[in-house]
Amino acid sequence: ELKVEQNPLFLSMQEGKNYTIYCNYSTTSDRLYWYRQDPGKSLESLFVLLSNGAVKQEGRLMASLDTKARLSTLHITAAVHDLSATYFCAVDIDNNNDMRFGAGTRLTVKP
Amino acid sequence: KAGVTQTPRYLIKTRGQQVTLSCSPISGHRSVSWYQQTPGQGLQFLFEYFSETQRNKGNFPGRFSGRQFSNSRSEMNVSTLELGDSALYLCASSTISGGYNEQFFGPGTRLTVL
Repeated sequence: ELKVEQNPLFLSMQEGKNYTIYCNYSTTSDRLYWYRQDPGKSLESLFVLLSNGAVKQEGRLMASLDTKARLSTLHITAAVHDLSATYFCAVDIDNNNDMRFGAGTRLTVKP
Repeated sequence: KAGVTQTPRYLIKTRGQQVTLSCSPISGHRSVSWYQQTPGQGLQFLFEYFSETQRNKGNFPGRFSGRQFSNSRSEMNVSTLELGDSALYLCASSTISGGYNEQFFGPGTRLTVL
């Protein structure tokens, strides 16, 4: 059975610091998605990674994908309070919209 | 372009009742997926519809069912509600673009079963 594991599950950071969230998955897939969810809100798409070595950046967030290691990372640079949210990675099984999500990483950025 | 809409946003039911949730996808999107989100189990895939046909189904009991209409709107039904069905139900629509399916999520329906 496919497993998608995120770590850490909880992350408390100081503003201005850097950190990385890891997403490991147990099946061969070259489609990895990152989403953000604010409390009580829906999921917002952040990144779509489609191939081995893919790297995408938006503001203070950068995501990468290593399909051989079955690992994706979400790197946070110089964190700010507005980044406080829960971040999910998801793997699309066979590219047929059967998405399996990690447990989520709840990020809190403190001033 | 309007986003994915879900109705109702909040719902309170009692055990044994049934409930129907509705999802209207982004215009032009033909695929609608449904997810259940709970604090204990996280985000779990329920099923996916494309052109009125269920293409994929997650590991949920038969009490959970769905359908899609010709205009791509989708409904999800849960019969004989149990306390454990209390959750945020999210639908997502997508269209194939660049060889992949990027899903766009609606605001969700929060179901409380008493």
